[in-house]
Amino acid sequence: EVQLVQSGAAVRKPGESLKISCKTSGYGISGYWIGWVRQMPGKSLEWMGIIYPDDFETRYSPSFRGQVTISVDKSIGTAYLQWRSLRASDSATYYCARHVTYDSNGYIYAVDVWGQGTTVTVSS
Amino acid sequence: EIVLAQSPGTLSLSPGERATLSCRASQSISSHFLAWYQQKPGQAPRLLIYGASSRATGIPDRFSGSGSGTDFTLTISRLEPEDFAVYYCQQYDSSPPYTFGQGTNLEIK
Repeated sequence: EVQLVQSGAAVRKPGESLKISCKTSGYGISGYWIGWVRQMPGKSLEWMGIIYPDDFETRYSPSFRGQVTISVDKSIGTAYLQWRSLRASDSATYYCARHVTYDSNGYIYAVDVWGQGTTVTVSS
Repeated sequence: EIVLAQSPGTLSLSPGERATLSCRASQSISSHFLAWYQQKPGQAPRLLIYGASSRATGIPDRFSGSGSGTDFTLTISRLEPEDFAVYYCQQYDSSPPYTFGQGTNLEIK
């Protein structure tokens, strides 16, 4: 079974750093874009960015570029989302998301596998 | 950035009824790049429809998608109790961000 297993809930203070993880299971991480989606409490979904493990190309939403870093360790099939300095407004649930592409042209068309979510709470 | 506006915000229906959910884009998008997701409380979203009208693996045929250009629709032909949830559309037509709509909350009447 294809799964994305995310790290557990995290509580940090403003200004602290954080790196959450997403481990792939049941498929090889290569060949699929993998990324992150934010959901603030009671709100809609926000697409943050993705990385292609084969060449480490990244694509970010302008809203999140420079605020977070998406990375991947192919050797252990794990993707990461990292903050250098958290703010209270970063408190949310973050979903890891495998993106699928059309075979004919490589264009992304959907997220077919989701992680279970990691809740991040930033509070003094 | 392409903005997706979903309507209605909340839809109250009874099991067995037909549900029609709308997603309108701020500019024309290819139907190849419009997806629908279902999210239940405390759960991750689940892919229902991709390419505007193709059902994802394991999705019952009471779910169907249609539309083109700027107007897309998700239809649930006969509501089952497990269908009451929040539904989101998402587009992948343009360069990032690959935006989501604000969601439609389908609730039991």
